[in-house]
Amino acid sequence: DIVMTQSPESLAVSLGERATIKCMSSQDVLYSTNNKNYIAWYQRKPGHPPKLLFYWASTRESGVPDRFSGSGSGTDFTLTISGLQAEDVAVYYCQQYYSSPTTFGQGTKVEIK
Amino acid sequence: QVQLQESGPGLVKPSETLSLNCTVSGYSMSNAYYWGWIRQPPGKGLEWLGNIFPSGVTYYNPSLKRRVTISVDTSRNQFSLRLTSVTAADTAVYHCVRSNGSPPGYYFDSWGLGTLVTVSS
Repeated sequence: DIVMTQSPESLAVSLGERATIKCMSSQDVLYSTNNKNYIAWYQRKPGHPPKLLFYWASTRESGVPDRFSGSGSGTDFTLTISGLQAEDVAVYYCQQYYSSPTTFGQGTKVEIK
Repeated sequence: QVQLQESGPGLVKPSETLSLNCTVSGYSMSNAYYWGWIRQPPGKGLEWLGNIFPSGVTYYNPSLKRRVTISVDTSRNQFSLRLTSVTAADTAVYHCVRSNGSPPGYYFDSWGLGTLVTVSS
């Protein structure tokens, strides 16, 4: 199975500042046939199910604010929140869907400093 | 907008079978997409259990393959999860999901709220 490692486990950021979350896969998840990275990002708020933010590493799901961005390729990926808002407090997960079984990172908790 | 809702017992005895249903509204399951189950034990990470296509084709997580069965009833717009021989390690919040993407893999663009299933005598 591909192991997904997120860092940091948690971070506290001031309102309006940038939050950066890293996700590393144990194997390359760039599919050469279509040149797509098989990485998704989710946001989970307390009492809610995970919400899809990005797929193909950087394609924003409809309705996701543009202060969120996804980037990276191969084995290293980043979720950035530019200008943290109070409603962004949540746990964020990355997922690889390049090979079965699909696997998730352990999550990164984002809080307000 | 598609919505998914899990239903089933919240308490299952060890060694028995966990059974959950997922009712899909706002979208006809027979049209397309894979549908699946993901769980999250308390304080732990997300684990994919398996997917099913409306035709009945299934894919399971090998770590659970011998214990898990997913079935579909497109006439009722529902799909189901059965997990046999449960132990305390199967205590988790179980989510039904809609899978999207293209081979070789799929992400999850719609999630049910989830239902907590506790395995205890």
